[in-house]
Amino acid sequence: QQQVKQSPQSLIVQKGGISIINCAYENTAFDYFPWYQQFPGKGPALLIAIRPDVSEKKEGRFTISFNKSAKQFSLHIMDSQPGDSATYFCAASIDNYGQNFVFGPGTRLSVLP
Amino acid sequence: GAVVSQHPSRVICKSGTSVKIECRSLDFQATTMFWYRQFPKQSLMLMATSNEGSKATYEQGVEKDKFLINHASLTLSTLTVTSAHPEDSSFYICSARDFIQGGGMNSPLHFGNGTRLTVT
Repeated sequence: QQQVKQSPQSLIVQKGGISIINCAYENTAFDYFPWYQQFPGKGPALLIAIRPDVSEKKEGRFTISFNKSAKQFSLHIMDSQPGDSATYFCAASIDNYGQNFVFGPGTRLSVLP
Repeated sequence: GAVVSQHPSRVICKSGTSVKIECRSLDFQATTMFWYRQFPKQSLMLMATSNEGSKATYEQGVEKDKFLINHASLTLSTLTVTSAHPEDSSFYICSARDFIQGGGMNSPLHFGNGTRLTVT
């Protein structure tokens, strides 16, 4: 019940295209859903996050879509750029500072020039 | 924004020696910090939760006598890999949530840049 599923495992997109990564969870107690971007040899960096009281959040080229009833959320990267090539992790948490996050297995995104 | 500093970024040590990794929250207080291990092309595996002023909580299968965690202040946690062996070679990452925000709405996890440990 603590697991967060993520797909696809890897994704190749042409420059300018839309990258879509999907995640699903089981624990209905989760109330905070961030996405992290990780470049090789670096720690993950927060990209964008959403709470279940909204269905969509947009920050620049990055959008999270959230479907509470289906317990699914996704990351959309519009106008994908080669610099977006990285590993993306979705996560879920109970929004309390003492709580750890449950991470998805990650998606390796490659944006071709 | 909140910054977590992790040091060293890379370390090479001989088998049987111990290595200490530091994790500091630079502009916020962190009652709780988390330590992860990440294998190539895999997700983050939580090793332990570090609690300021008390013992760390270890995940199942993680040897607490091998991975010593000390959280002596609200801004510093250390992970010591004792009697390191080649199989301990990995990427270790720490993280912390912003205590000042009180753990309320939208309190993200901030990560250090990781430590690449190589045991020869």
